[in-house]
Amino acid sequence: AQSVAQPEDQVNVAEGNPLTVKCTYSVSGNPYLFWYVQYPNRGLQFLLKYITGDNLVKGSYGFEAEFNKSQTSFHLKKPSALVSDSALYFCAVKGNRDDKIIFGKGTRLHILP
Amino acid sequence: DAGVTQSPTHLIKTRGQHVTLRCSPISGHKSVSWYQQVLGQGPQFIFQYYEKEERGRGNFPDRFSARQFPNYSSELNVNALLLGDSALYLCASSLIRGTYEQYFGPGTRLTVT
Repeated sequence: AQSVAQPEDQVNVAEGNPLTVKCTYSVSGNPYLFWYVQYPNRGLQFLLKYITGDNLVKGSYGFEAEFNKSQTSFHLKKPSALVSDSALYFCAVKGNRDDKIIFGKGTRLHILP
Repeated sequence: DAGVTQSPTHLIKTRGQHVTLRCSPISGHKSVSWYQQVLGQGPQFIFQYYEKEERGRGNFPDRFSARQFPNYSSELNVNALLLGDSALYLCASSLIRGTYEQYFGPGTRLTVT
């Protein structure tokens, strides 16, 4: 069965510091991996995806994520955090055998000024 | 272009009643997915429709059903409502089923009393 784990409920980072939001997954076959962000009172917004190819994927707002097949991880990263990055971040995975997309429980990111 | 639209925005129903939620995808998008998001959790996959056919189903009871119309809009129906059905129901559209990023609507907040 497909599953996604986001081990941290909350991550606190000082503005200007690098940030990492962790995600590990379990899926049959090759994974399709996604990161979404949810701002207060706004809908989920797509950040980036990994389908195939380069393990380092670049997305919106300066975010990037690294696919690591051996560790079954897809951590979200940003070199220098902004206060405006404070939001709820969701990792999601889809296997290549059906169309179910499974979301993690989310990680709340707090960027401290 | 307009994004994904959902109606109604908010809805209050009584246990045992039936509800219909509606979704209009982004123009040109042929795939629609439905998710249930309970407070404090990630979206839970309910259904995916592509070209008017069901392409994926999550672990929800048969009280939940959906359909997609020729114009690619979609309805989610829930019968015999339970208190536990109270949640934010999200609709997402994508250009191609499964492999591409999804664009989410603002959701319908359903409260069952």
